[in-house]
Amino acid sequence: KAGVTQTPRYLIKTRGQQVTLSCSPISGHRSVSWYQQTPGQGLQFLFEYFSETQRNKGNFPGRFSGRQFSNSRSEMNVSTLELGDSALYLCASSLEGSSDGYTFGSGTRLTVV
Amino acid sequence: AQSVTQLGSHVSVSEGALVLLRCNYSSSVPPYLFWYVQYPNQGLQLLLKYTSAATLVKGINGFEAEFKKSETSFHLTKPSAHMSDAAEYFCAVREGSGNTGKLIFGQGTTLQVKP
Repeated sequence: KAGVTQTPRYLIKTRGQQVTLSCSPISGHRSVSWYQQTPGQGLQFLFEYFSETQRNKGNFPGRFSGRQFSNSRSEMNVSTLELGDSALYLCASSLEGSSDGYTFGSGTRLTVV
Repeated sequence: AQSVTQLGSHVSVSEGALVLLRCNYSSSVPPYLFWYVQYPNQGLQLLLKYTSAATLVKGINGFEAEFKKSETSFHLTKPSAHMSDAAEYFCAVREGSGNTGKLIFGQGTTLQVKP
């Protein structure tokens, strides 16, 4: 079966712009989580959605937002981009987000210039 | 709050040698623990998980990990390293209890395998 699909794979944006990243989970998975990966901070949790509701949120500014659609696909948006937002953004899906393993996508590499 | 510490940001072994990657966790509830591997320019791949069943967990690619509550450890091992094992490895603990998808990751350990 198809894995977690993230689009686009690479993105270059200018400071001050906004960006939307997309994640399609594995079919049947209703939990979608987002993580930011940087060399300095490592892997940090952004937020989690389950059945279109945000269930958990990490310690990121309000410029970072997300949503989940009825088909479980999720998007995250970053507004007013800063250089420090340059990172690999990873999406993970799971059946219920509990004891199941979380399956990650290949990520979107965002570069802010 | 839960946390994960991976001892050694860089580990180097010879091909065929034992691989040991260390992970210690802090958790106020029975933990769910995971090991992931990341190859360059890729996402994370689940190697194995501990979910309060058997303390010795076998995963993919010949890796296994042993949960030791008394030592709050979940070290990853492989008897014989292959060149293809060179990658970055992350230990993670699920935060809290119940149905939540928040994972707390360690800082990662880069495994180098020398021929």
